[in-house]
Amino acid sequence: DAGVIQSPRHEVTEMGQEVTLRCKPISGHNSLFWYRQTMMRGLELLIYFNNNVPIDDSGMPEDRFSAKMPNASFSTLKIQPSEPRDSAVYFCASSNGQGASYEQYFGPGTRLTVT
Amino acid sequence: SQQGEEDPQALSIQEGENATMNCSYKTSINNLQWYRQNSGRGLVHLILIRSNEREKHSGRLRVTLDTSKKSSSLLITASRAADTASYFCATDAYSGGSNYKLTFGKGTLLTVNP
Repeated sequence: DAGVIQSPRHEVTEMGQEVTLRCKPISGHNSLFWYRQTMMRGLELLIYFNNNVPIDDSGMPEDRFSAKMPNASFSTLKIQPSEPRDSAVYFCASSNGQGASYEQYFGPGTRLTVT
Repeated sequence: SQQGEEDPQALSIQEGENATMNCSYKTSINNLQWYRQNSGRGLVHLILIRSNEREKHSGRLRVTLDTSKKSSSLLITASRAADTASYFCATDAYSGGSNYKLTFGKGTLLTVNP
């Protein structure tokens, strides 16, 4: 199995631009998670889906962030408009079960820099 | 907000020594997980211990859980340079309805010197 796939691996954009991050979970996994990691705040859960349905989006910082999961094999995290404080590493993870009782498999992350 | 907090923040040891990292949490849990993150990479799951378990082993890893003290420890025996990484504990937090989500601590940076 290829593991969780994220693209792009690196993204540099200017403030105000739209950014779209993509994730392909492990085939057969039914939960997908988006995290953000910064030195200051550590690893934060932004949103998670179960069977393509958003379960908890309380970690989404503000309306500029949106996430979709149109099918079991694809999810996007969009930031519009982007701001310098959005600079972070964004991870996607998937698991074969709902919630926190299952191990999560992380992708390699997307390093986002907003100038 | 983080539920678990690791201690120490950083640990430097020599190859062959044992490394112990601790995690404390605030509210009751159903399970606790440990993850490793190599520099520039995603997190890798190491071990999951349930609230009714006190100790679990996996290779050179030993995890203990003391629910009365709300704490866990991760012991890596006979450390190797390749064990150099950040180690995170993650606990489940209520997420609404019947759902729980993982919350991560800020990690312990372990450096194993050859």
